[in-house]
Parts: sequence; C-alpha cells; structure tokens
Amino acid sequence: QQPVQSPQAVILREGEDAVINCSSSKALYSVHWYRQKHGEAPVFLMILLKGGEQKGHDKISASFNEKKQQSSLYLTASQLSYSGTYFCGTEIIGRGSTLGRLYFGRGTQLTVWP
Amino acid sequence: DSGVTQTPKHLITATGQRVTLRCSPRSGDLSVYWYQQSLDQGLQFLIQYYNGEERAKGNILERFSAQQFPDLHSELNLSSLELGDSALYFCASSVGPSGNQETQYFGPGTRLLVL
Repeated sequence: QQPVQSPQAVILREGEDAVINCSSSKALYSVHWYRQKHGEAPVFLMILLKGGEQKGHDKISASFNEKKQQSSLYLTASQLSYSGTYFCGTEIIGRGSTLGRLYFGRGTQLTVWP
Repeated sequence: DSGVTQTPKHLITATGQRVTLRCSPRSGDLSVYWYQQSLDQGLQFLIQYYNGEERAKGNILERFSAQQFPDLHSELNLSSLELGDSALYFCASSVGPSGNQETQYFGPGTRLLVL
C-alpha cells in the first residue's frame, strides 16, 4: 500500500527543473505532497483530490491522474530553498477505516546547488 | 510554525522503560494522527483520533497505546521500549473526522533514543 516514488534522489543547479513521481497500486482519494528538511517536520505543499486536477503555487505544481493512480510534482526554476526530501502521501479508497490514513512513499531527496 | 505542538523535543531512555509523548493540535482541529519516522521504515502511520475516539489504526505495536483527551490534546504511550523504537515521532492534526482529503499539519516531532 506504500506508494513508490521516483527518482530516489535529484541533484540540480539553481534555475533547473525537476519532476518527482508518485505511483500507487491502489485507487486513491487524494495525494498529499510534503517537503521535509533534515531534522524538521514535514511541511505541507499541496493536496490533490480525486478528479484528475492540477494545482500549483509559485513555481511548484502537481498533477494527479486518478486512472493511473499517479501523481507528479513539478518544480520549475528551482531555488536553493527547494532542497529537502519530498514525500507523497496517498489516501487509499477502501473501507471506512482507511480514511485519513496517509501512506507515505520513501521520499525523493532533492539537492539544489548554486 | 504549523500550530501543532509536541513535547518533549528529545527523549533518551533505556530499553524496557516506558515514555509518554504529548501533542496539542492546532486550534480548531479535532483529529490527531501519530506517525513514526525511522531510517529503515520511513514515515509510518500509527493511529488516528477524532474528538476523543479512536478512528483508524495503522502499524501500531501492542506495546504502544494512545488516547485523546477532552481538551483534544493527545498522548502516545510507548512501553517495554526496544532499541528499534528509536525514531522521530510526529503528531499531525486536521479539522474533520475522517481526514478524507484534508490537509494534515505536522508538529515538530519528538526524537526518541532508546539505549
């Protein structure tokens, strides 16, 4: 039930773009994206709901293809502050007790160099 | 600052001991979630409470228990501690009962080290 994230790690120069993918084997209600800096709490980036929507703010956006049970996070013109580990959390469609449970991928470590 | 508070920040204890981790959700949030983050297991959902009642259970060991009090703060009790319980424990909160399609805001975490 844990989603699979790819790639495991990305190294970029400032200004370059990156795409992080999240794939689930289960049908999903939603996909949540978080960024975590070392030793800190995950920080919410955005949530994508069932309906195949795309969202974004500033230079970070994401899409959700519910038919393929996949989501992608797009970071454009990356900045030094984008460095961290990006996690997707998936909310699986199932019996009632699964609601609210987020299954997290293992994370994608993003490093942005000046 | 997410508005979720957790205490203590760090905890060092010995195997076999019992500890209690505390979490206060954001103002207005009724759901509290507990997660464990370790290097080998990643971020794992443990348990969820909504307005004082257990709502969903994840990979929580029988040695662990939790509760949510009338003032909505929550405590996670870890007993008979083992070396493998060393991890970061996060609490998160959200507004509604199911957490369905809702944002979960994470607290700063409690780092537990079992020696």
